[in-house]
This record gives sequence, C-alpha cells and structure tokens, in this order.
Amino acid sequence: DIVLTQSPALAVSLGQRATISCKTNQNVDYYGNSYMHWYQQKPGQQPKLLIYLASNLASGIPARFSGRGSGTDFTLTIDPVEADDTATYYCQQSRNLYTFGAGTKLELK
Amino acid sequence: QVQLKETGPGLVQPTQTLSITCTVSGFSLTSYYMQWVRQTPGKGLEWMGFIRSGGSTEYNSEFKSRLSISRDTSKNQVFLKMNSLKTEDTGVYYCAREMGPHYFDYWGQGVMVTVSS
Repeated sequence: DIVLTQSPALAVSLGQRATISCKTNQNVDYYGNSYMHWYQQKPGQQPKLLIYLASNLASGIPARFSGRGSGTDFTLTIDPVEADDTATYYCQQSRNLYTFGAGTKLELK
Repeated sequence: QVQLKETGPGLVQPTQTLSITCTVSGFSLTSYYMQWVRQTPGKGLEWMGFIRSGGSTEYNSEFKSRLSISRDTSKNQVFLKMNSLKTEDTGVYYCAREMGPHYFDYWGQGVMVTVSS
C-alpha cells in the first residue's frame, strides 16, 4: 500500500502563506503525471476537490490555492490565507488504487 | 447539475448488514466510475471500492470479504452492502464520482452510520 504522511496541524496568520506537505512512501508518478490530489473538508461537510494531478486547479477553486511536487513529495499552498480557509486538507494518491493522508488541520493564529 | 445523495439506516447492530444507496443526477452511471469512501474516527478517510462505468467492481482488500457494490442504471443508483458490521465501522459513508484519471470531483453529503447494540 502507498502510505501518505501529512503533518497534523498548521497555524498561519490571515493574509500569510500556508504550505501543507504530503510525503508518500512510493513514487506516484506515471507516464508524466503525478497521481496526487488535494481536498478540503470543513466540519460536517464532504471533502471538496481542490487540486488534481498535483498541480491542476479544480473548477471553481480560487487561484489562491496551488499545488506542486512530483515523485514522493508534494505541497499544497494557500496564498494569501483567508478566514474561510480554516479546514482540514487531505492528500490522496491514485497511482496504486487509492489512499488518503490523515489530514492537516489549518488554523488561524 | 451533478448531484449525489446517500441514504442509509443510521443505526445498525453489530454483526448485521449495512445497506446504503447513492442516488445520482446530472450524469450517467455508464460514463463514470463511482466510488465509496468512508470516514471513521479510527482510520480517517478510507477508500472502500468502486464500480466501473461498465459495471465491474474492485474492492479494498481490507473489506473484500464483506463488501459488495452494485448499481441500477435505470434508477441512477449505486448500492453499497457490507456485512458482519463491527463497532469500528461507525463513521460517515460517502459516494463520490471519479473523474479520470483517478480523482473524485463530486461527493455526496455522506450518511452517518452508527454500529451499536
């Protein structure tokens, strides 16, 4: 199984940059694509797709969100952070079936 | 527009069978893979299995022996059935549409399932 590791929590100030990392124990690249995706989940809601294939912004998602990375190291960046961004962020790989990270809870300082 | 909605029992007794229906609108089940994902206090978000646009299925080995996914395309419904429930199966169960390749672009609101006697 591919294991995804995320830091449990991150605190940032309004208007600053938040960088959330996701590391995998196996390479999730295949034929030029990185099979890594990012979701946002607020309490009581379903996950919402933010970024697909490591760096592609999902429909309707503001350009404050961006993703990058390849191989085994990936990051989701929110810049600038707004109050509405407080949520838990999950990475998900689809290189070999599907697994999710444990999530990073973003809080405001 | 695309919508997914899960309906299920809420409370299930240990050792019993869980049945959840995902009713979709705005797209055809014969064009997309449909996924089931659950979220439990113990394991977080956990992929359970999917049914392909052609109707074949694949399951997470963690559930393979007790999970079944099926569909009725005429009713735009996908079904999850899982037997031999344990208290650890308590959580929120989601259906989601898979957009090729391999990410979940629409999710249902989820249905909370409590396994308790």
